[in-house]
Amino acid sequence: LAKTTQPISMDSYEGQEVNITCSHNNIATNDYITWYQQFPSQGPRFIIQGYKTKVTNEVASLFIPADRKSSTLSLPRVSLSDTAVYYCLVGGDSTGFQKLVFGTGTRLLVSP
Amino acid sequence: GAGVSQSPRYKVAKRGQDVALRCDPISGHVSLFWYQQALGQGPEFLTYFQNEAQLDKSGLPSDRFFAERPEGSVSTLKIQRTQQEDSAVYLCASMEREGPYEQYFGPGTRLTVT
Repeated sequence: LAKTTQPISMDSYEGQEVNITCSHNNIATNDYITWYQQFPSQGPRFIIQGYKTKVTNEVASLFIPADRKSSTLSLPRVSLSDTAVYYCLVGGDSTGFQKLVFGTGTRLLVSP
Repeated sequence: GAGVSQSPRYKVAKRGQDVALRCDPISGHVSLFWYQQALGQGPEFLTYFQNEAQLDKSGLPSDRFFAERPEGSVSTLKIQRTQQEDSAVYLCASMEREGPYEQYFGPGTRLTVT
């Protein structure tokens, strides 16, 4: 399974854009990149998923360079409620999408 | 619509007791997963069902753990002779079908073994 590396923690202020970068040097051809968000006492929640280039939805953008060895989750104009742990995962046909492999994630703290 | 529900939300067991944790997935979701999350760590995969078939149980930590989904909907994770190291949050997730799709997680059951 492709291993991911992401910062342990990040701090930001309300209204700022937050970019969390994840490294996945051993990503396989069939692997997708997926980000989940987890609040205390809740299960993880899917944020966004991509394979290459850029993906955008109503809550975030995901930037994936051509070599796909890293990815960046971009949260525009964060609010206090974005304080959470963010997990970067990779997986695909060879490893099974079913077996999500979470690392320790990035703890984002948004302050007023 | 209703999401994934789990019960109980909290469970305290004395070491050596058996426990059963229930998961109600989203209706119609074919795939169901169990994860274990220790404090301060990310969730770790335990087992996976496609309908009633348990296709992957490679993450179950010991033979004291087993899971079932007899009718392809509700699932139960059972832990026999609980040990203190079993204390964790047990998360259930469901997915509509196989593939690179999002998994919907329940709130988890926090198990404390004393």
